[in-house]
Amino acid sequence: SQQGEEDPQALSIQEGENATMNCSYKTSINNLQWYRQNSGRGLVHLILIRSNEREKHSGRLRVTLDTSKKSSSLLITASRAADTASYFCATDRGSTLGRLYFGRGTQLTVWP
Amino acid sequence: DTAVSQTPKYLVTQMGNDKSIKCEQNLGHDTMYWYKQDSKKFLKIMFSYNNKELIINETVPNRFSPKSPDKAHLNLHINSLELGDSAVYFCASSRWGLAGDRLETQYFGPGTRLLVL
Repeated sequence: SQQGEEDPQALSIQEGENATMNCSYKTSINNLQWYRQNSGRGLVHLILIRSNEREKHSGRLRVTLDTSKKSSSLLITASRAADTASYFCATDRGSTLGRLYFGRGTQLTVWP
Repeated sequence: DTAVSQTPKYLVTQMGNDKSIKCEQNLGHDTMYWYKQDSKKFLKIMFSYNNKELIINETVPNRFSPKSPDKAHLNLHINSLELGDSAVYFCASSRWGLAGDRLETQYFGPGTRLLVL
């Protein structure tokens, strides 16, 4: 069954605005990852946050993790048209076998 | 340099045919995966191989048979293709963690778009 649930399903903003996407999950995890998928392309890893971390930054990306609420958020600051893509969260459900369970993704559209 | 490559990029075939998709990674990783992404963009793991050995086999029909000739390659053979097999298939690779270590980042190929008519 699906692990991550991204919210919203679609987000449309203007360049320069911030974009916030949320992800909820149901089981314990070792870590949570965010990936980006441009239209017609493969997934690209953005950031990994471990279960004992609460916040992580990478350039214009900020990820938070609240294990008590089983939720994570991805914030993209000062968005650009090139950020238009689908964003997925993925968890390992506590497994170390390499399984990744993905949500259905948030489709972000950034208008110039 | 392409890290994870897949061939073909597009595959259009008739129901009942047998087809293969190839995947190669030049990252030196020892774990490779196959995922299926449906028309609603839901991505689901199918198989995982570590050092040429199968470690994950999700509930996938036995018409799907992965083959790993070496650590850098994981091919997917599909027998008796059905309409429902139409999807985008992604290969991925990662570095296996030490025993008890956490999951590593996965690197994805560009996908193979399979259309079964």
